[in-house]
Amino acid sequence: DTEVTQTPKHLVMGMTNKKSLKCEQHMGHRAMYWYKQKAKKPPELMFVYSYEKLSINESVPSRFSPECPNSSLLNLHLHALQPEDSALYLCASSPGRYNYGYTFGSGTRLTVV
Amino acid sequence: SQQGEEDPQALSIQEGENATMNCSYKTSINNLQWYRQNSGRGLVHLILIRSNEREKHSGRLRVTLDTSKKSSSLLITASRAADTASYFCAILNSGGSNYKLTFGKGTLLTVNP
Repeated sequence: DTEVTQTPKHLVMGMTNKKSLKCEQHMGHRAMYWYKQKAKKPPELMFVYSYEKLSINESVPSRFSPECPNSSLLNLHLHALQPEDSALYLCASSPGRYNYGYTFGSGTRLTVV
Repeated sequence: SQQGEEDPQALSIQEGENATMNCSYKTSINNLQWYRQNSGRGLVHLILIRSNEREKHSGRLRVTLDTSKKSSSLLITASRAADTASYFCAILNSGGSNYKLTFGKGTLLTVNP
């Protein structure tokens, strides 16, 4: 298995909703990442997990809450989002933190209404 | 800024022609990577070049790195319509002990049949 699987592919949520994005990989990668990408912009790093521990939080608002339950799974819990949070949320993994390319999932397209 | 800057922002060529994209950056790097993204979905890792390397090849791709000029180029030879995509350079650099992969703004390549 050489894929990163993200679910759901599309999500529409209200500003008072709580939802979660899921990311899964079975490549034995020990680093996992969340990126956010707005239309016609580059991906922006949100969080980095290394060996299931949070290594980097790029000053992301607390309405985004990451979780890494095990080495294969990464979640992003969403609560009280704003319309400007609408974006493509991309998960990625890599064997280690440096000198490896990242394997990206196909993303979750989130719309906040 | 740690972000790479691609040049040109958009490039339109005919099938069979070569495409060259450039990336400039401002900080020291651990490595530089190139990714492709089709239609706003997941990114695909193309090639990684380390800071002590000058050139790498992968199939129809050739990447060069000039650390003295803080620049890199991606050459796609004998382009095909299927190469139509956005291409991003990404810089891995360390802030202390934490490595971050930061993406440039991208080049939109259109290959006309």
